Amino acid sequence: SFELTQPPSVSVSPGQTARITCSGDPLPQRFVSWYQQKPGQAPVLIMFKDTERPSGIPERFSASSSGTLVTLTISGVQAEDEADYYCQSSDTFNWVFGGGTRLTVL
Amino acid sequence: QVQLVQSGPEVKKPGSSVKVSCKASGDSFSSHGISWVRQARGQGLEWMGRIMPLYGITKYAQNFQGRVRITADKSTSTGYMELSSLGYDDTAVYFCAREESNGGWVWGQGTLVTVAS
Repeated sequence: SFELTQPPSVSVSPGQTARITCSGDPLPQRFVSWYQQKPGQAPVLIMFKDTERPSGIPERFSASSSGTLVTLTISGVQAEDEADYYCQSSDTFNWVFGGGTRLTVL
Repeated sequence: QVQLVQSGPEVKKPGSSVKVSCKASGDSFSSHGISWVRQARGQGLEWMGRIMPLYGITKYAQNFQGRVRITADKSTSTGYMELSSLGYDDTAVYFCAREESNGGWVWGQGTLVTVAS
């Protein structure tokens, strides 16, 4: 199977833009989903099929894909966005998660 | 909207087994894959395996091959994950999740399994 690589941490001030990357060799051929996880809670889907946003997820969450890199962007970060973020993809139903990125809102 | 409700916390002794359940409400239990993921305290998400209830076909992560068994009961819309030969490093929160048609997952609330002597 393959690996997905994320930065361990990202810090931004409220109102700024946060960018969290996810890289892996097979990504040009695989869709990526993103999950937000707050302490003591289950992960919640925030992006699917690389750039699609589920209903109910704020528009400040977006994503882009370029080659082996997928980027989650949070525009106008709010205090409530402080959480762990995980990217996820699969290779014929062998699912893989990135190591997770802790977003800290300063 | 599907909801997944998992069984309660467990405390197990080293070398024993644990079986966690995951009951789905809503529609079409059989036609969606059910995956199991674990998360040790302060660590990331680790995929363990999945089942397609309609066919009973399973797929397991290499790290858990031979030690995990995932099953599903279509009549009760319930999935199960059984992990054997427990060690202290199996102490973790275990999640079930349903694979939706858009590729995203809906998650259960998690079940804490503690391995202690």
